[in-house]
Amino acid sequence: SQQGEEDPQALSIQEGENATMNCSYKTSINNLQWYRQNSGRGLVHLILIRSNEREKHSGRLRVTLDTSKKSSSLLITASRAADTASYFCATDAWDYGQNFVFGPGTRLSVLP
Amino acid sequence: DGGITQSPKYLFRKEGQNVTLSCEQNLNHDAMYWYRQDPGQGLRLIYYSQIVNDFQKGDIAEGYSVSREKKESFPLTVTSAQKNPTAFYLCASSHGQGISEAFFGQGTRLTVV
Repeated sequence: SQQGEEDPQALSIQEGENATMNCSYKTSINNLQWYRQNSGRGLVHLILIRSNEREKHSGRLRVTLDTSKKSSSLLITASRAADTASYFCATDAWDYGQNFVFGPGTRLSVLP
Repeated sequence: DGGITQSPKYLFRKEGQNVTLSCEQNLNHDAMYWYRQDPGQGLRLIYYSQIVNDFQKGDIAEGYSVSREKKESFPLTVTSAQKNPTAFYLCASSHGQGISEAFFGQGTRLTVV
């Protein structure tokens, strides 16, 4: 059951530019999270936004959440080559206890 | 250092053989998860466990089995019944209560030869 869908699937930008990735989901949520994955590695948690929050910042990251549209966006400002990775949104599901439902991800390439 | 450890990093298996992937965490987390990731794809949930001696099937449990005899350990067995086992397998853990994030291991890449 895929809950989140990231958009675009791939994004290529120059160093210093901003990168925006979007995530849409289908059912109501308690929170939405963004993760980063470097090639061939595990995922690393970036930021969590609760359903009653509209915007959250962490360093160069800005996340917005629009529960009426069932969508979220992740903005990375002043991108660096080291930001090159795949980015996933995840929503919480409570089928039997908590689990996390991930979208297919956005592959970001930041060119030096 | 607290964390979640998967081993081995690379694993090769002959067709028809079962193989077990290890996942250990020292974060004192109640919940543990196994995900499968295919090239260029997202994560699909195989099994998850909220407490010791209990686990639930995820979206793609067929051909896999798990056990949760200890809080720290959640091994995944890929059986010969799994038709297309070559993939990247990720283990994760979380507090499992309230709103919490998932912590991931570095993954095991399984290749059937």
